[in-house]
This record gives sequence, C-alpha cells and structure tokens, in this order.
Amino acid sequence: DVKVTQSSRYLVKRTGEKVFLECVQDMDHENMFWYRQDPGLGLRLIYFSYDVKMKEKGDIPEGYSVSREKKERFSLILESASTNQTSMYLCASSLPAGGATYNSPLHFGNGTRLTVT
Amino acid sequence: SQQGEEDPQALSIQEGENATMNCSYKTSINNLQWYRQNSGRGLVHLILIRSNEREKHSGRLRVTLDTSKKSSSLLITASRAADTASYFCATDYVLGETSGSRLTFGEGTQLTVNP
Repeated sequence: DVKVTQSSRYLVKRTGEKVFLECVQDMDHENMFWYRQDPGLGLRLIYFSYDVKMKEKGDIPEGYSVSREKKERFSLILESASTNQTSMYLCASSLPAGGATYNSPLHFGNGTRLTVT
Repeated sequence: SQQGEEDPQALSIQEGENATMNCSYKTSINNLQWYRQNSGRGLVHLILIRSNEREKHSGRLRVTLDTSKKSSSLLITASRAADTASYFCATDYVLGETSGSRLTFGEGTQLTVNP
C-alpha cells in the first residue's frame, strides 16, 4: 500500500513565523500535491510537482512556496504565517498515467491541522 | 466555479439501507473520481471513472457517469456504520488545449449510517 506521511498532525504557530510542512511518500510517485481544506470551500490546490525540482502553481499559491529536492519528499513553506492560513493541509501523491497528471488516483496523507495565532 | 457539487450535503440512513450521493459538474472532464474521508483524516480513493465509461463497480460501491447530464452518482449498498464518512467527487477537467487539466473537489456529502 502507498504510504504518504505528513510530519505533524497538529501544529500551532505564531503570526509571522516561517512554517515548514513536510510530506514523504514511499511509492516512487512522480506527482505530489499540496491541498488545503476549509469548511465550505472544499479542497483547494496550492502547488503540485510532477518531478524533482519541478513545481507548478495551483489555484491558491499566494503566501506559499514549495520545495522538492528528492522524489519522495515535497515540502510546503509558509514564508510568513498569517491567521488566514489556519487550515487543514493535505499532501497527496500519484503515479502519472498516459501522460496526464490526474489520470490515476491520488493517495493522501492524514493531514496537518495548522493553527496560526 | 468548475468544481463538482455533491448532493445532498448530508445524508442519514439506517444500517442495511442503500445510500446514494450525486455529483454535478460544469465542463468537459477526462475522468471523475470519488473519495472518502473519515473525520480528521486524509482522503481515500474509492473509484475512478473515465469520461468514456458509464458505470463501474467495486465491492458494495457502484458509480455511474452521465456525461450528457454532466452528473455522476455513487451508490453504497447494504450500508454499515463503518461507512459513516464524508464522500467527495473530484473532476479532472480540461484547462485548455495546451494547459493540461486540474482535479477539482466538491465540498462533500456527509453520510451518517446509524446502527
């Protein structure tokens, strides 16, 4: 079974802090994603990566950056945390099929619930 | 919004009954996926149905896709208390001829199965 591990289940940070959310997958998947989940807004894509050192902006990249130095690890960085970034953050990975990003299932981690005070 | 919309928002049934959840979307898609999320956890993939498919089964799950109506349904037969969760549809829709696609999630249906 694919395992996607997010380093923290719960995180509390102060406004202005630099925050790192780490995600590791063990199935050699090319694609990795960061979503945030908020009540009433569903899941929204922040960034995704289709290869090492490659990244693409999702729908809400503002205030975030990412790093993918190794295939198995995809980090989400909040440069200067703000209270509106309080959310559940979900990492996912997938194996591209037929040259298409979303042609195979996404495997999600258990999420990191971040609170910024 | 391009995202799929689930209906109903919440559904409460008794164990043994069938549960049907619907998803509607707005533009052409490559595929449609259903996911399940237990409270406070990540999403788990259930079924992926491609745009040229009309029906798929997996155990007690049955998914249909009607591209002419831009809708899909997820049927869970003989439901169990352990099926209590949120269920999301996600549509892989085309951004443009050279712009790839995007997987967009709806807000989910909260299913409660009472013992």
